Amino acid sequence: AQSVTQLDSQVPVFEEAPVELRCNYSSSVSVYLFWYVQYPNQGLQLLLKYLSGSTLVKGINGFEAEFNKSQTSFHLRKPSVHISDTAEYFCAVSSSGFQKLVFGTGTRLLVSP
Amino acid sequence: DAGVIQSPRHEVTEMGQEVTLRCKPISGHNSLFWYRQTMMRGLELLIYFNNNVPIDDSGMPEDRFSAKMPNASFSTLKIQPSEPRDSAVYFCASSPGTVGETQYFGPGTRLLVL
Repeated sequence: AQSVTQLDSQVPVFEEAPVELRCNYSSSVSVYLFWYVQYPNQGLQLLLKYLSGSTLVKGINGFEAEFNKSQTSFHLRKPSVHISDTAEYFCAVSSSGFQKLVFGTGTRLLVSP
Repeated sequence: DAGVIQSPRHEVTEMGQEVTLRCKPISGHNSLFWYRQTMMRGLELLIYFNNNVPIDDSGMPEDRFSAKMPNASFSTLKIQPSEPRDSAVYFCASSPGTVGETQYFGPGTRLLVL
């Protein structure tokens, strides 16, 4: 069975500072990895995903993530955050060959001026 | 496209009542997913359909929950009878149906069972 661990439940950061949100997964098979963002009172929307190929994946709003198979990690980064990036971020995994996603518990990013 | 449409957006009901949540997926999408989000349990997949057929319902909590997809453009999630512990935000998502494809989420239905 797959699982996703997001170690940080909340990450406070100042505007224009860099940020990294951590995600580790557990799976015995090949995986696809996703990061979704949820703004208050809204559904989730995709930031980026890794299916295959280059391990550095670029997404929307200046976010990027790096797939590290040896460390089973898929950390999300942004070099300079904005107030508007305040939201909850979810890492998710699926086995290649299956559509079912398993989500982590989420990390709340709080950006202050 | 209008995106995934869910109704109602908010529902307040009393324990024991039947609750029906509705979802219209994005046109042309072949897969539909129902999720539940709570503070305690996070985001859980309840059931998903492919081409209107239920593929995995292992996340459905118990017999009080049922889901149907009578056609490609409509799905329902029904709770009968409802209990206070069912209070949550219920999301519907759809995807084109190919493995690795993005799931597009609706705005959710916030359910409160008193």
